[in-house]
Amino acid sequence: DIQMTQSPSSLSASVGDRVTITCRASQNIRSYLNWYQQKPGRAPKLLICVASRLHSGVPSRFSGSGSGTDFTLTISSLQPEDFATYFCQQSYSMWTFGQGTKVEIK
Amino acid sequence: QLQLQESGPGLVRPSETLSLTCTVSGGSISNSSYYWGWIRQPPGKGLEWVGNIYYSGSTSYHPSLKSRVSMSMDTSKNQFSLKLSSLTAADTALYYCARFVVVVAATANDCWGQGTLVNVSS
Repeated sequence: DIQMTQSPSSLSASVGDRVTITCRASQNIRSYLNWYQQKPGRAPKLLICVASRLHSGVPSRFSGSGSGTDFTLTISSLQPEDFATYFCQQSYSMWTFGQGTKVEIK
Repeated sequence: QLQLQESGPGLVRPSETLSLTCTVSGGSISNSSYYWGWIRQPPGKGLEWVGNIYYSGSTSYHPSLKSRVSMSMDTSKNQFSLKLSSLTAADTALYYCARFVVVVAATANDCWGQGTLVNVSS
């Protein structure tokens, strides 16, 4: 199994802050990495696929980068609606998710 | 607009078999561009892929669940289903059905159902 490790597990930030979340794979997954946002009581929503491709309708303040084993999700200017939990997912060999990063209001 | 809706029992007894169905509207599950599958989330925890199925009927299951899980499709009803046997409390979770879209040979879950909570308890 490919293990996905996110950091941090949680963070506190203010509206307007730049936020960075990292995801590390236990082996090379090339660019087969997706990012999701989940709000309480809701299904996850796809933000970014193939490491850096913004999904349709996702604001441009979200961006993704990385390849191989190390990946980053960046929110350039945090908005009130961005407080949520973020998950990474690898699709290189079956599918596994990171444990999640909760972004809370500071 | 594509919509997915899970249905099934909310409470199942230990050792029994769970049966869930996902009804798809606004698109065909016979479309060769997509896979269809299940992802679960235990209360307060992370996400775990359970399995998926292609329009041809080919399936792929999580290795730790492979001996207990099966999936099928009913194209006439535009539905796909999950069966999970020998249930334990560890199978208590919110079960989502989701579409897997292929993007440059990779895949991503671009559409999800709202989820159905399954509680395994006597």
